Amino acid sequence: NAGVTQTPKFRVLKTGQSMTLLCAQDMNHEYMYWYRQDPGMGLRLIHYSVGEGTTAKGEVPDGYNVSRLKKQNFLLGLESAAPSQTSVYFCASASGGAGQETQYFGPGTRLLVL
Amino acid sequence: RKEVEQDPGPFNVPEGATVAFNCTYSNSASQSFFWYRQDCRKEPKLLMSVYSSGNEDGRFTAQLNRASQYISLLIRDSKLSDSATYLCVVHNAGGTSYGKLTFGQGTILTVHP
Repeated sequence: NAGVTQTPKFRVLKTGQSMTLLCAQDMNHEYMYWYRQDPGMGLRLIHYSVGEGTTAKGEVPDGYNVSRLKKQNFLLGLESAAPSQTSVYFCASASGGAGQETQYFGPGTRLLVL
Repeated sequence: RKEVEQDPGPFNVPEGATVAFNCTYSNSASQSFFWYRQDCRKEPKLLMSVYSSGNEDGRFTAQLNRASQYISLLIRDSKLSDSATYLCVVHNAGGTSYGKLTFGQGTILTVHP
């Protein structure tokens, strides 16, 4: 039982390049989330999904797109990377969204955009 | 005003000390509250949920004051292994925010010998 995994662990991009971050969970969770964490800002929600085939915008969605084609996977895409997207990206999953369910986080992806 | 505010610290305490962290939230409709722990360069992990009646888990005690919109975490008999960043987290249910957690910026704790 791997829990939540993220690939890649670390990536360096040049401005304007694109990439996709992959999140996978093996807990059969309905809810999945993408956050970014920046110094002094805490974790901020980028996009989330309440089930396969559905996605919704979070607090800071601009510059990102997501897809949830399979229940276990949640992809985060950067179409044209900008230095402001340098951050640590965390994926999380939860069994439900009523509020009391624990969110389980992946180990993070460190992205540097030059 | 930030939705969830914490004193960033850092708090530097000796082993065995008692330390308390505070957190305030701005949305009076918030329904669920948590403390998460994050070790350096690691992912956040749930430490404990916070209930109106207060709850305790070993050396950790969490309190919620809805009237003042205030959450606290008390750590007794601090251990070196308690060194981490503690994140105050609030959940607002309903509407398009269903399942959305709002995180404070975290409070850094360092426990030294």
